[in-house]
Amino acid sequence: SQTIHQWPATLVQPVGSPLSLECTVEGTSNPNLYWYRQAAGRGLQLLFYSVGIGQISSEVPQNLSASRPQDRQFILSSKKLLLSDSGFYLCAWMAQGGRQPQHFGDGTRLSIL
Amino acid sequence: KQEVTQIPAALSVPEGENLVLNCSFTDSAIYNLQWFRQDPGKGLTSLLLIQSSQREQTSGRLNASLDKSSGRSTLYIAASQPGDSATYLCAVRGGTSYGKLTFGQGTILTVHP
Repeated sequence: SQTIHQWPATLVQPVGSPLSLECTVEGTSNPNLYWYRQAAGRGLQLLFYSVGIGQISSEVPQNLSASRPQDRQFILSSKKLLLSDSGFYLCAWMAQGGRQPQHFGDGTRLSIL
Repeated sequence: KQEVTQIPAALSVPEGENLVLNCSFTDSAIYNLQWFRQDPGKGLTSLLLIQSSQREQTSGRLNASLDKSSGRSTLYIAASQPGDSATYLCAVRGGTSYGKLTFGQGTILTVHP
């Protein structure tokens, strides 16, 4: 069966520090991968998606970037965090081909001080 | 631009009641609609996926219906239990190849003993 892992679960960072959140998927090949952010009172918003290694698309302009160095690895990064980057970050995957469900990880709670 | 609305925002019911959560969307050109459950501080758990050609899907005490032409979906929970307490999110996938989901703000359900 397929599983998705995100880490860390919780992170507290000072303003201006770098960020790296990692997501890996097991049990599937060539999945679509997604990063969402859930901010208080704003619902879930898609930040980035990837349909293959090295292929990244951004949905919204922001202070963050994403990379996909391996087929089942998706990384969310920032060089300098802003207060507005606080939130709950969720990684998701979906099998390619056909109308498949999306499956989500347990999320990372990011607090910027 | 797709917009998804969920009503009510919050619902509190006694154990054993049957209940209905509502979801509406503005653009009827969707691939599918997915219902999720989110426990506090946790990721999303997929409950049901309804394809655009389907009218309903059932899983245990859950039944989701879809009326694509009117832009509506309902999630019916039979014989509610305290363990059903969570936030329920509706998400629609539009007509793109990469599977972007647009989420509603969710319904916070509390089932008290």
